[in-house]
Parts: sequence; structure tokens; C-alpha cells
Amino acid sequence: ETGVTQSPTHLIKTRGQQVTLRCSSQSGHNTVSWYQQALGQGPQFIFQYYREEENGRGNFPPRFSGLQFPNYSSELNVNALELDDSALYLCASGTGSGGYTFGSGTRLTVV
Amino acid sequence: RKEVEQDPGPFNVPEGATVAFNCTYSNSASQSFFWYRQDCRKEPKLLMSVYSSGNEDGRFTAQLNRASQYISLLIRDSKLSDSATYLCVGLTFSGGYNKLIFGAGTRLAVHP
Repeated sequence: ETGVTQSPTHLIKTRGQQVTLRCSSQSGHNTVSWYQQALGQGPQFIFQYYREEENGRGNFPPRFSGLQFPNYSSELNVNALELDDSALYLCASGTGSGGYTFGSGTRLTVV
Repeated sequence: RKEVEQDPGPFNVPEGATVAFNCTYSNSASQSFFWYRQDCRKEPKLLMSVYSSGNEDGRFTAQLNRASQYISLLIRDSKLSDSATYLCVGLTFSGGYNKLIFGAGTRLAVHP
């Protein structure tokens, strides 16, 4: 079992809508990272949270935002959805030293 | 140029074959490297870490050459269950945090 749970597993949204994806981290992990994986590509780093603060961000626009809660669970929010946002969104929890466990992902389709 | 580049796939091999995946990286600040395996529509899972001294785990052997910024994965005696996408991954510390940098992946299909 992965220990990292993501919800929902699949969803379909319309262009321009907003979406919130959720992730519960593995026990003992205080760092959570979010990745976007487009079809046929490797995962791309969106941002990372450590102890409820964003401490790193990849090349994604501000309409991608996040939160980390005191129990280290996390949310990824995407506003003004675009067709190109269709992808598998992966959450990875870790200790910050490099060992990460991935959740099974949320497959987002924007139509 | 992408920070981590892999052989384009797919590799189609018969059972029992030996297959080699190659990967290069451009960021010399990358500290550690890994191979992840990703099954269709699933999350990536760590296959093995990669060390300069080379490391082996059963039928799998990984090697890192820092001088040439090159990483390899060798799979011997391929099994049907090895069919998956193999992702070359670097861990980079920058701006006060670690992040994983993934290659695009190489798909392996092992056939009877």
C-alpha cells in the first residue's frame, strides 16, 4: 500500500472552471510535492510544501495554487482551467531528504 | 534542452532478452538519481537508486557516470511483467528545497 491517498481518482471539468485536488500524506512525512504528468511525458514539478509553507515552485502560472494543513495533508487548486491542464496530477509525500512516496494520482480531463 | 533526457521508446523485446536504457542529465548540481517504474495509468514507483559504484538488484543493474552525466539501467532475462515505462529521475537541491526531475520515460514491451 502506498500510504498516500489522492482524491478524486478521476474528474471532468469544463474550460474556465476551478478544481481542487486532495492528498493525504504518509504518516511521518512533513513535505508534499505536486506533479503534473501530461500524456506521454514524465511528471513535471508544480510546487512543494513543507510545514504548511510553499518552499519551492516549478514553471507553473499563479492559477496553480496549493495549501498544506497541520496534519500535512494538502490541496492543489487550479483556477480558470484550460484544455492543456488535462493530465494526471500526482502528489508525493516525503521527509524532504529525497525519499518520496507517490499517490495513485487524479486524472483530470478538461473539456 | 530538458534537464533529464532518455532514449525514446518503445522498446519491444522477447522474453529473456537483455535491454539497456540510457539517460543523460544536464544539471551538474543534481545530487542523486533513481529509476522509477510506471505501469499504465498508475503512479511512478521507485525501482532503484543509482550510484557511481554501480548497483544491482536481481536482474536489474544501474550505473551512474558523473563525469559524462550519464545514467543507465540494464534489465537481464526480461519477463512479461517488466513491461512498463521506465523513468530516469534526478534529485536536485535548489532554492532551499529538494525536487525530483523526471525524464519523459522509455516504454518497454516484453512479448512472449
